[in-house]
Amino acid sequence: EVQLVESGGGLVQPGGSLRLSCVASGFTFSSYWMTWVRQAPGKGLEWVANINLDGSEKNYVDSVKGRFTISRDNAKNSLYLEMNSLRAEDTAVYYCATHCVIVVCGNRYFDPWGQGTLVTVSS
Amino acid sequence: IQLTQSPSSLSASVGDRVTITCRASQGISSYLAWYQQKPGKAPKLLIYAASTLQSGVPLRFSGSGSGTDFTLTISSLQPEDFATYYCQHLHSYPITFGPGTKVDI
Repeated sequence: EVQLVESGGGLVQPGGSLRLSCVASGFTFSSYWMTWVRQAPGKGLEWVANINLDGSEKNYVDSVKGRFTISRDNAKNSLYLEMNSLRAEDTAVYYCATHCVIVVCGNRYFDPWGQGTLVTVSS
Repeated sequence: IQLTQSPSSLSASVGDRVTITCRASQGISSYLAWYQQKPGKAPKLLIYAASTLQSGVPLRFSGSGSGTDFTLTISSLQPEDFATYYCQHLHSYPITFGPGTKVDI
């Protein structure tokens, strides 16, 4: 069974740091781009960052550039999101997902998704 | 690239035909996907490449369009279809989602 399981969320003060993890199983993790998407409470979906197969290419939404770092460890089937200088507006459920790209999947989409982990930035 | 969806919400009955529209601020070819999300759950991929049904998704779901205008159609709404639907473009960075369309009873 293909599965993505996020962890590492929690309550953190403004200006603090947090590291999210996503462990993959049921597929060849190293063969897929990966991505993080977040959803603030009661709001829509926002793409945060993605990373290519070997970690040599990373892309970020402007609002997290310089503060968040995406990385992966293919030996551990794991994806990470290092979040620094956290702000109240970073409060959200963070989902990891497999990012299908044309050269790998023949098309572009996010599937499957993990169940999400909640990050709350508050004093 | 900005995505707009209409309507933002709709009320429908079981058996109704439902159409949701997604418009992109510039051409995105067919790099558009549709997701369904139920409360407290992760989004689920329904359609990619504007019109390709993801494996396992019921045939009552269909997508169409290219360039800037896209539609998601549910031919006969079922009880399990009451959810929020998002379009997403994957043409270029940043990848963005539409604001969502909530379908309720």
